[in-house]
Amino acid sequence: AQSVTQPDIHITVSEGASLELRCNYSYGATPYLFWYVQSPGQGLQLLLKYFSGDTLVQGIKGFEAEFKRSQSSFNLRKPSVHWSDAAEYFCAVGSGGGADGLTFGKGTHLIIQP
Amino acid sequence: GAVVSQHPSRVICKSGTSVKIECRSLDFQATTMFWYRQFPKQSLMLMATSNEGSKATYEQGVEKDKFLINHASLTLSTLTVTSAHPEDSSFYICSARAPDRGHGGAFFGQGTRLTVV
Repeated sequence: AQSVTQPDIHITVSEGASLELRCNYSYGATPYLFWYVQSPGQGLQLLLKYFSGDTLVQGIKGFEAEFKRSQSSFNLRKPSVHWSDAAEYFCAVGSGGGADGLTFGKGTHLIIQP
Repeated sequence: GAVVSQHPSRVICKSGTSVKIECRSLDFQATTMFWYRQFPKQSLMLMATSNEGSKATYEQGVEKDKFLINHASLTLSTLTVTSAHPEDSSFYICSARAPDRGHGGAFFGQGTRLTVV
């Protein structure tokens, strides 16, 4: 069965500092990987996704993620965070055809210190 | 990007009543829609997958008679929580996928906060 692990429940980062959110996955086939952001009481916004090709993926809002097959990881990074980045971040894995729903990690709550 | 609209955004209902939540794809035809449930401070759990014109496929542990899903058109899926109880209070989110929009993933609605009192 597929699974996604986000080992950090909370992360606190100072504004302007760099950020890395960890994500490890378990999937039987070629994984299709996603990062979503959720503000309180809101739906999900797609930050970026990886299907194939270049393992470093650029997303919106200055985020990027790197797929490392050997480590079964898809960590999210941002070189300099802004206070508006405070939110819940979810990593997810799905099938290539998209016929199945996504499996989500438990999320990482990002806190930005002034 | 594609837009998925979910309505209502918030609903409060009395225990024992039924509540219908709508999920619409506004600028594309969604052959597949997914319904998720999110408990406070937890992740999203897939409840069911619905394909237009056919019966929904429910995940293990989800009561299909309690959570009725209808996907009657390519732009609309509805989730009806029947005989709601306080334990059904949760955040429900739909997502919609179009086959011509690329592989995997889907576009998410803004969610519905259901409170059963």
